[in-house]
Amino acid sequence: DIQMTQSPSSLSASVGDRVTITCRASQSINNYLNWYQQKPGKAPKFLIYAASSLQSGIPSRFSGSGSGTDFTLTISSLQPEDFATYYCQQSYSTPLTFGQGTKVEIK
Amino acid sequence: EVQLVESGGGLVQPGGSLRLSCAASGFTFSTYAMTWVRQAPGEGLEWVSGISGSGGRTYYADSVKGRFIISRDNSKNTLYLQMNSLRAEDTAVYYCAKEVHHSSGWSAFDYWGQGTLVTVSS
Repeated sequence: DIQMTQSPSSLSASVGDRVTITCRASQSINNYLNWYQQKPGKAPKFLIYAASSLQSGIPSRFSGSGSGTDFTLTISSLQPEDFATYYCQQSYSTPLTFGQGTKVEIK
Repeated sequence: EVQLVESGGGLVQPGGSLRLSCAASGFTFSTYAMTWVRQAPGEGLEWVSGISGSGGRTYYADSVKGRFIISRDNSKNTLYLQMNSLRAEDTAVYYCAKEVHHSSGWSAFDYWGQGTLVTVSS
């Protein structure tokens, strides 16, 4: 199974900050990497696919990069509605696996 | 508008069974693979099972293989998860999600239901 490891597990940031979350795969997954946002009590929301492509309707302050084993999600200017938990997920092979999540909290 | 509505969750004793349903609308259901993802209380997301659009191919996480069965009825636009031999560690919110696949090989879960809570406890 491919293990996905996110760092940090949590972070505190202020509105307007630039935030970067890292996701590392235990083996190469090409660019088969997706990002989701989840707010408490809600279903996950699809943000980014194929490592760097923004899903329709997602604000351009979100961006993704990486290939192979190392990936990043960047929020260029954190907004109040961005405080949530973020998950990466690989679609390279089954079982499909998620990172453990990164909780973005208000400083 | 794509909508996915799960139902069937509840309290069940260890060793018991439960069937979850996910009613889909707003897209051509039979064209898309579907999946179940669960989230234990306070924990992260865990992929459980997936099924192709025709229903001919199914996939399972090792943690549920041999106990859970995924199926679909394309005439009813409904996805199912039959859960047998339930354990305390199966307690979670279960989400159904629509899959999107690209010809280059990647896939993702682009729409999610609101989830249904399954509690396994005596």
